[in-house]
Amino acid sequence: DTGVSQNPRHKITKRGQNVTFRCDPISEHNRLYWYRQTLGQGPEFLTYFQNEAQLEKSRLLSDRFSAERPKGSFSTLEIQRTEQGDSAMYLCATDPVTHTIYFGEGSWLTVV
Amino acid sequence: GQNIDQPTEMTATEGAIVQINCTYQTSGFNGLFWYQQHAGEAPTFLSYNVLDGLEEKGRFSSFLSRSKGYSYLLLKELQMKDSASYLCAVRDRNSGYALNFGKGTSLLVTP
Repeated sequence: DTGVSQNPRHKITKRGQNVTFRCDPISEHNRLYWYRQTLGQGPEFLTYFQNEAQLEKSRLLSDRFSAERPKGSFSTLEIQRTEQGDSAMYLCATDPVTHTIYFGEGSWLTVV
Repeated sequence: GQNIDQPTEMTATEGAIVQINCTYQTSGFNGLFWYQQHAGEAPTFLSYNVLDGLEEKGRFSSFLSRSKGYSYLLLKELQMKDSASYLCAVRDRNSGYALNFGKGTSLLVTP
């Protein structure tokens, strides 16, 4: 248990619906990352927060994706108008400004 | 951008030693990480190297050569539970300190 909590753990949704994932990091961790992972691939970087500021977004993060981290605590990742290609595991990771990045358990999304 | 290459699959025997190699190219190197990932689970941290040399942690060791853009993860006294995917990841100071991952090496440990 890394102390990084994600929910829901599993979500099945119909194409076109919106979904939101939540990440609760360890409280003193300033940096928070979102990754996406599909079968047989390594995690792909989506976006990064330093406290409440979103400092970087990958080109993978289309305009259907939005992430927030109000007050620099928990973070949400919303996907609007889901497509089948969005089916993946969405991973949150946090970093206490040291050299260890901790991943949450992941949120599996299946778009049918 | 970064290119991170590691073998797709490896097989080794229980009790043996296996070395998983990783090569990378990056402009702002700020550390190399190894993660273990069992099927259906999130990655778990194994090791971190930022300086050249060998870091040892129990049965696992990780080596880094920055000039060669090369790292390896060494697993000793293999156990069946070591069957997993091993992910090499590089941190780049020019990319918000995010980790960029290779595709992973799927290790199968056989009896």
